[in-house]
Amino acid sequence: NAGVTQTPKFQVLKTGQSMTLQCAQDMNHEYMSWYRQDPGMGLRLIHYSVGAGITDQGEVPNGYNVSRSTTEDFPLRLLSAAPSQTSVYFCASSYASSSEKLFFGSGTQLSVL
Amino acid sequence: GEDVEQSLFLSVREGDSSVINCTYTDSSSTYLYWYKQEPGAGLQLLTYIFSNMDMKQDQRLTVLLNKKDKHLSLRIADTQTGDSAIYFCAERNLYGGSQGNLIFGKGTKLSVKP
Repeated sequence: NAGVTQTPKFQVLKTGQSMTLQCAQDMNHEYMSWYRQDPGMGLRLIHYSVGAGITDQGEVPNGYNVSRSTTEDFPLRLLSAAPSQTSVYFCASSYASSSEKLFFGSGTQLSVL
Repeated sequence: GEDVEQSLFLSVREGDSSVINCTYTDSSSTYLYWYKQEPGAGLQLLTYIFSNMDMKQDQRLTVLLNKKDKHLSLRIADTQTGDSAIYFCAERNLYGGSQGNLIFGKGTKLSVKP
């Protein structure tokens, strides 16, 4: 198993550009989520999904869209990037929302100029 | 809403024990976690404890949970330079308003001096 795979590892955008951060897992996990990590702020939840076709907002959802058309993939879309979205983004998954273990990808470092 | 607090920095000498502390506000937390993040890497689950336990030991790691004071600690015995990292405390309430999502502290940066 590859676990939780995030692409790209690094990305630089200009303000107003759009892009999609990819997240895939091969563990047949129902629950997937996106966090952003900022210095001194810890990790904050952006969006999450408890299964294919179901998504919900976390603590900081503004400026981000998600969809979950398959169990394996949970892409995060930035429709119009802003400098405030410069951050490190982590995708995480678990077997179910009630599972005790949450597995993280290695992260995407995004800079918006 | 729920909150998790940690001190930001801890410095120890190689071979000493490290104790990283965490407090949380959700009295109905189901699980409490310790994650480790090395520079440029993702989060690695170190250990976790179910809320009905008060201690868990795993090799050099000891987790203590005081539910009354809502206090969680991670003790690393015989700390090595490879233990230098940021350690995140997190709590998860499967039945509360956070809908089972993890609430993270801001992380404690552990520096181990040779």
